[in-house]
Parts: sequence; C-alpha cells; structure tokens
Amino acid sequence: DVKVTQSSRYLVKRTGEKVFLECVQDMDHENMFWYRQDPGLGLRLIYFSYDVKMKEKGDIPEGYSVSREKKERFSLILESASTNQTSMYLCASSFGRMIFDTDLSGANVLTFGAGSRLTVL
Amino acid sequence: DQQVKQNSPSLSVQEGRISILNCDYTNSMFDYFLWYKKYPAEGPTFLISISSIKDKNEDGRFTVFLNKSAKHLSLHIVPSQPGDSAVYFCAASAFGGTGNQFYFGTGTSLTVIP
Repeated sequence: DVKVTQSSRYLVKRTGEKVFLECVQDMDHENMFWYRQDPGLGLRLIYFSYDVKMKEKGDIPEGYSVSREKKERFSLILESASTNQTSMYLCASSFGRMIFDTDLSGANVLTFGAGSRLTVL
Repeated sequence: DQQVKQNSPSLSVQEGRISILNCDYTNSMFDYFLWYKKYPAEGPTFLISISSIKDKNEDGRFTVFLNKSAKHLSLHIVPSQPGDSAVYFCAASAFGGTGNQFYFGTGTSLTVIP
C-alpha cells in the first residue's frame, strides 16, 4: 500500500513565524502535491512537483514555497505565517505520467496523507 | 475560475436509500475523473474512477456515471449506510499533461440518517 506521511497532524503558530510542513511517500512516486482544504472552497492546489528539484505553481502559491531535494520528500514552507493561512494542508503523490487505465483500476489516482491542521494566531 | 463544480454543499439521505452526488466540469479536455471520500481530520481516500472511454463504472455499492456531452458526472451510492457520512469530492484531469494535475470540486457533505 502506498503510504504518504505528513509529519505533523496539528500545529499552532504565531503570525510571522516560519512554518515547515513535511511530507514523505514510500512508493517511489514521481509526482507530489500540496493542497489546502477550506470550507466551501474544496481542495486548492498550492504547488506540485513532478521530479526532484522541480516545482510548479498551482492555483494559490502566494505566501508559500516548496522544496524537493529527494524524490520521496516534499516540503511546504510558509515564510511568514499569516492568519489567513490557517487551514488543513494535504500532501498527495502519484505516478509520473498518466496511463490509459482501460480497466479503471485507479492507477492514476492521487494518494493523500492524513493532513496537517495549521492554526496561525 | 472553478473548472470542477459541485453545486450541492450538502445532502441528507435515509439509510438504505440511494445517495446521488453530482459534479459538473467546464474543461472539455478533461477525460479522467475520480471520486474521493473524506472524513473530518483525515486525508481524502480514493473511491472510484472513470475515464472518458466509458459512461459507467461500478464498484460494489458505488457507481459513477459520466455524461460527456453534458460535462456531468454523478456518484450513486446504493444502499446508503451511516458510515458513508462524509464529504465527497470529485476531481478531473486530462491525459498527456505533465505532473498528472487534478482539479477538485468544492465537495458535498453527505449525511446518512439511521
């Protein structure tokens, strides 16, 4: 089974602090993603990475940066936390390129971690 | 602009009856769709998928229907059980892109009443 592990389930930080959220996957997936989930807004993509040292902005990258030094690890960094970054953060991973999954086995799915609930005071 | 929409924020259904969750998309390039289920304080878990070569896929109590011309998909749960109470997200992607990026809807909170 693919496992995506997020290092912290719950964090409380103060405005202006630097925050690191770590994510590790153990299935040699090429792609890794950071989403945030907010009520009424669903899951919004912050950044993703399709290879080591590669990163792409998602829909809401402002105020965030990422690091992918090793294939299995993808870190989300809040350089200076603000109250509007209070949210549930979800890391996910998947295989590199989508395959034409004719038997619908779910080969292209994203596998998510348990989430990190961040509160910024 | 939201490319994947779930217009019903919530749905309540009696145990044993059918739950129907709907999802609409705007991008005609989308050809692969997923449904996820999410309990509070947990990550989403994959439920079922469908690609554009099919119009229906079943897995036990879960069936997903795809209407490409209407850009609409739906998830049917029969019979509904109290353990199905969760938030359901649909997601869409297009083959051929780098990075396998999925776009998610805003979610529908399903409550199954015992």
